[in-house]
Amino acid sequence: GAGVSQSPSNKVTEKGKDVELRCDPISGHTALYWYRQSLGQGLEFLIYFQGNSAPDKSGLPSDRFSAERTGGSVSTLTIQRTQQEDSAVYLCASSSRTSTDTQYFGPGTRLTVL
Amino acid sequence: GDSVTQMEGPVTLSEEAFLTINCTYTATGYPSLFWYVQYPGEGLQLLLKATKADDKGSNKGFEATYRKETTSFHLEKGSVQVSDSAVYFCALSRDTNAGKSTFGDGTTLTVKP
Repeated sequence: GAGVSQSPSNKVTEKGKDVELRCDPISGHTALYWYRQSLGQGLEFLIYFQGNSAPDKSGLPSDRFSAERTGGSVSTLTIQRTQQEDSAVYLCASSSRTSTDTQYFGPGTRLTVL
Repeated sequence: GDSVTQMEGPVTLSEEAFLTINCTYTATGYPSLFWYVQYPGEGLQLLLKATKADDKGSNKGFEATYRKETTSFHLEKGSVQVSDSAVYFCALSRDTNAGKSTFGDGTTLTVKP
C-alpha cells in the first residue's frame, strides 16, 4: 500500500464510552507500533507487534487500553471507559523485517474525550 | 532506560538563517538515531537517520552526525526556508525485533520570511 493509514482521523467521545482506533500498516510490513502524542509533548510508546510474536505491551498506561492485530496486518487499539486524560493524538507506525529500526508513521487519530 | 533530550523550543528564525537543534541521548549499546519532522496537520516523516558512530545522516539540506563520545545527534541546516517550519523530533531505536523507539519532546521551528 501507499503508506500507513489510520481511521478515524478525528474522534470525539464522551467520558466513559469505549472507542476503537484502526491502523492499516504498509503492505508487507511485519512490525506495527502504537504511540500516543499528548498536546505539546513527545511520543509515548504504547504497544508493539512483531510478526507472530507476543506483543510488547509495556507502554500501555492502564488495563483500559488494549490492542490486537488480526492476520498480521490491520490493528485496532481499544480504549475502554475513556477518561479526559486519554485525549491525545494516537499514532500508528510500521516497519519492515529488513529495516526494523526505521518506522513509517500514519497521520494519526485525534481523540477528544469530553 | 533509554532517553532522548532535545532542545526546548519554540525556535524562531529568519529565512536563510543557520539552524541547530540539539539532541542528546542516554542508551546502552549502539542504537540507531533519527530525526523525524512533523509538518502542520501531517504525520511524522523520517527526515534522516544514522546507524553507527560517526555516521552522518542527511536529507533536504539537513544533516546530523552520530557522536558516540558526546552521545549527541544535533540537527543542522545551513539556510532554512519558510517551508521548514515544523516540529522536529529526535529519536533512538534499536535493532531487529527490539521494538519501540524513544522520542524527545519535539522542537517547534518557525521560519519567518
